Amino acid sequence: DTAVSQTPKYLVTQMGNDKSIKCEQNLGHDTMYWYKQDSKKFLKIMFSYNNKELIINETVPNRFSPKSPDKAHLNLHINSLELGDSAVYFCASNPGHRPSGANVLTFGAGSRLTVL
Amino acid sequence: DAKTTQPPSMDCAEGRAANLPCNHSTISGNEYVYWYRQIHSQGPQYIIHGLKNNETNEMASLIITEDRKSSTLILPHATLRDTAVYYCIVRVALSGAGSYQLTFGKGTKLSVIP
Repeated sequence: DTAVSQTPKYLVTQMGNDKSIKCEQNLGHDTMYWYKQDSKKFLKIMFSYNNKELIINETVPNRFSPKSPDKAHLNLHINSLELGDSAVYFCASNPGHRPSGANVLTFGAGSRLTVL
Repeated sequence: DAKTTQPPSMDCAEGRAANLPCNHSTISGNEYVYWYRQIHSQGPQYIIHGLKNNETNEMASLIITEDRKSSTLILPHATLRDTAVYYCIVRVALSGAGSYQLTFGKGTKLSVIP
């Protein structure tokens, strides 16, 4: 059983298109995240949701819109894709308990987005 | 969050212990040290964390100096599958989901050599 699963694993699309990446966790965690890893391999947080409520929204273009239908799912929708959106997007979850569980994230395998 | 400094790369012979250092000289009293790793083409994986005392689990040991200004992650018997980028992160452990965001630096690329 995969704890944090993302689909699709690979996505190749044209500039201007709209695409979505889905994430599901079966760990019963309260908090979910989207991270972006660019070509230089830096991992940066994009969004965080706690029990379906948006908690963190870093400086991310409005073209990116996360949606959390329930606390086990956090999807990422991207409008009007640009070349610079090409990256690997990681979903993660966290139980939300401190201190022992704090900052212990479980990551998905990643979704590699290529915009042509 | 306190800044961390790690060597960009290290080599380790297969079967030997891999000792990965991390400097966090500005760490404050309520900040934990976390270690993650990212194997090529996979998501980051949590390894271990600690506050003051040394910690050990099935994956690794974490040695934190008495002044807490540096730490060492030890993989006791490195295998080829341990080849990865290892990230040392210092972070407070606060309640509230917004406090759990982690900032990943460049990490140390560990190459385990046969």
